[in-house]
Amino acid sequence: LAKTTQPISMDSYEGQEVNITCSHNNIATNDYITWYQQFPSQGPRFIIQGYKTKVTNEVASLFIPADRKSSTLSLPRVSLSDTAVYYCLLSRRSSASKIIFGSGTRLSIRP
Amino acid sequence: DGGITQSPKYLFRKEGQNVTLSCEQNLNHDAMYWYRQDPGQGLRLIYYSQIVNDFQKGDIAEGYSVSREKKESFPLTVTSAQKNPTAFYLCASSPQEGADTEAFFGQGTRLTVV
Repeated sequence: LAKTTQPISMDSYEGQEVNITCSHNNIATNDYITWYQQFPSQGPRFIIQGYKTKVTNEVASLFIPADRKSSTLSLPRVSLSDTAVYYCLLSRRSSASKIIFGSGTRLSIRP
Repeated sequence: DGGITQSPKYLFRKEGQNVTLSCEQNLNHDAMYWYRQDPGQGLRLIYYSQIVNDFQKGDIAEGYSVSREKKESFPLTVTSAQKNPTAFYLCASSPQEGADTEAFFGQGTRLTVV
């Protein structure tokens, strides 16, 4: 699986929209883009997954441009409880290949 | 209800001792994974298994061993050969194939060498 690159850390304030961008220049045709959230001393939790264009669920939106070389996780109106580490991964639906995590983005939300 | 369970939550080990971390899932998932996480770092893959009686080394398998005798269980043994075993260990499972490759994680085991 191709490597992903994302900012080490980000800061924002309650009520703001936060956008975290992930680069994956060598993404393969059958790779999907998946984001996880991890709170301290807990296991990561799935947030959203997409292949192209835009995906939205009750938690976040995922924007993927036509070339798929990057993606942006958008968290609307963040709260203090959104303070966590966010990981961007590439995954393949055709088989359960190993799931590789990068260093993630440490998001800090301030009052 | 369905989920993935790791035990114990905290574990203390004396240097030179082997210790086994438990991971059980009732999600009927074929694939299971073990990760290690050090403070302020991301997750690193230790071992993974895509089917019963088969498993593969991840990026940091040295000093660890696993078994996959049952679909529901994927125990991890931290051996005395692991020079720096103090860390947070996470187990995960996911479907082998299908429409959804979301991985589900346990709550982790924090291992401390004393």
